[in-house]
Formats: sequence, C-alpha cells, structure tokens
Amino acid sequence: GQQLNQSPQSMFIQEGEDVSMNCTSSSIFNTWLWYKQDPGEGPVLLIALYKAGELTSNGRLTAQFGITRKDSFLNISASIPSDVGIYFCAGQLAPLGAGSYQLTFGKGTKLSVIP
Amino acid sequence: DTEVTQTPKHLVMGMTNKKSLKCEQHMGHRAMYWYKQKAKKPPELMFVYSYEKLSINESVPSRFSPECPNSSLLNLHLHALQPEDSALYLCASSQDWGQSEKLFFGSGTQLSVL
Repeated sequence: GQQLNQSPQSMFIQEGEDVSMNCTSSSIFNTWLWYKQDPGEGPVLLIALYKAGELTSNGRLTAQFGITRKDSFLNISASIPSDVGIYFCAGQLAPLGAGSYQLTFGKGTKLSVIP
Repeated sequence: DTEVTQTPKHLVMGMTNKKSLKCEQHMGHRAMYWYKQKAKKPPELMFVYSYEKLSINESVPSRFSPECPNSSLLNLHLHALQPEDSALYLCASSQDWGQSEKLFFGSGTQLSVL
C-alpha cells in the first residue's frame, strides 16, 4: 500500500525546546491529519489540513500542508512534559473514488521530553 | 462533544472464547471504523461502515465479525482468536465516508488472547 515517510522516528528534547517532525510521500495528498497518542489510549486529533500551503495552529502546535501536496510538518513550540507521546501523521490520497477515502498513516514519531 | 466511547477498556480471552467489543458515538456521524494497532505501529484499518452498511473489509479473517446495529453503535464480535490477534482495537467515526473527513478515535480496547 501507499507509504508515508515520517521522521524522525524518535526524539529526546529538553523541556522548553521547540520540536519539528514531518511526513513525506511520493504521491499527492488532499488531506493531512496530525494525531497524538498516549500509551494505551486512542489517537487524539490535533490538527487537520485541507489546502496546499495551509498553515494552521492549535495552541503551541503549528502544522503546514506542503505546497507540493506531498508533505506536511508539525511544529511544537516550548515543549512541556505532557507533550510526551507518539505523533502520527495521516493523509488521504488525492485521486477520487471510494478507495482513496482511507487514511494512510505514518509510522509515528515518539517524543520524549526531559524536564 | 467529540467522544467515541469503547468498552471494555481491557479484555483477556482464551482462544475458544466468544467476546464482543462495543463502540458508541452520539455525534451524528454516519461512518464508523474498526482499526487494529500493534505496539509501536500505526493503526491498521479493518472495517468501514457507512450509513450502517459495510463498505470496506480489509481482508480481515472471519474470526472477526463486525456489526452495526444502528447509526450510533458498532460492535466487533470475536471468536476463536489467536494469540497474534492480541492488540489495541480502536473504533473511530467521521461525519461521512468520503474525502477530507476528520476521524475521531475512541480510547481503544486492549485485547490479550491467551
């Protein structure tokens, strides 16, 4: 199936630092979603992006839909301990048709914050 | 209210048992999903229901049997599972089954098959 390359796979940062992670694909996407998942819990939707070039913020989180429609990034500013978790990108491919409605997930970025 | 409620939170079952996972949402969403997630992996789609009809079955073994009794409820019936079926089972819903939909996940059922 379609692959999303999410990087980095994991990162350790000091509390207060900014964080950046991204997802890339060889195919065009028309929707990008960013989720955060805590251990033993379901993913929680953080930000949804629908248009190329779109930049959206949610508190200390900012995400952008790449101009080429093949990538997206998520930034977290001034990290705090509760930012710890696994962050997943997910996207819907651009071609129309019921088969393209399914979300493709990245493999996740595991974030650890050192107090 | 963006809540998807799943029960039970944890389930341990033997390979000969029959059990069911339940999911409920009251957001008026017409699409509901079952995902399976292994540790340190992304969620994998199992089934999609749209307007209470099964739209997608991702070649899931028949020991997993989904059911959508009404627009708010989604069940997953389990029978004769294998130890490798142990995973976090996630229910999700969206307004519709289509483009540009936001999926909202429940907190999952952690299943252990002995």
